[in-house]
Amino acid sequence: KQEVTQIPAALSVPEGENLVLNCSFTDSAIYNLQWFRQDPGKGLTSLLLIQSSQREQTSGRLNASLDKSSGRSTLYIAASQPGDSATYLCAVVNSGGSNYKLTFGKGTLLTVNP
Amino acid sequence: DTEVTQTPKHLVMGMTNKKSLKCEQHMGHRAMYWYKQKAKKPPELMFVYSYEKLSINESVPSRFSPECPNSSLLNLHLHALQPEDSALYLCASMIQPGANVLTFGAGSRLTVL
Repeated sequence: KQEVTQIPAALSVPEGENLVLNCSFTDSAIYNLQWFRQDPGKGLTSLLLIQSSQREQTSGRLNASLDKSSGRSTLYIAASQPGDSATYLCAVVNSGGSNYKLTFGKGTLLTVNP
Repeated sequence: DTEVTQTPKHLVMGMTNKKSLKCEQHMGHRAMYWYKQKAKKPPELMFVYSYEKLSINESVPSRFSPECPNSSLLNLHLHALQPEDSALYLCASMIQPGANVLTFGAGSRLTVL
């Protein structure tokens, strides 16, 4: 059974810092990995999707990397801003069988202080 | 239109009521999902519809009844719920099963009294 772990559970940084969020998964046979952002009481917003054949994806100040063999992904946020404050979740889709199901980590609660 | 729209945003119901949550997308997505999310927890998958057919039911109690009348619309019918069913219910869609980005709606906040 796939298990996804995110470290740290919470992170507080001053504005302007570069930071890294970590995601690990136990079964490396994945189809893809997705990073989401969730604001309190709201739905999830997809940030980046990395297919299993890719090593990284970039969007603006965000860069996500994937090391499938070691079961790890990182989300790098450059020059953090207070508006980046949210919960960040990673989710994986396993290859083989049903490709419909995402397994989520518990998330990292990020606070960026002005 | 690049959105998944969920209504109502908030719903309060008693344990004997019957109500429904509605989800709509006009992006031509053929996979639609219902998730349940409790506070400070990740979303839990409930149901998946693929090409308007139920493809996954994660052993959800029968007091939750999904329906997919057409490729743009997904409903979740609620009957005889328990207070522990209070949660944020999220709808999501994908172009085709497993292939791409999962797009979420803003959610329906359900409170069962």
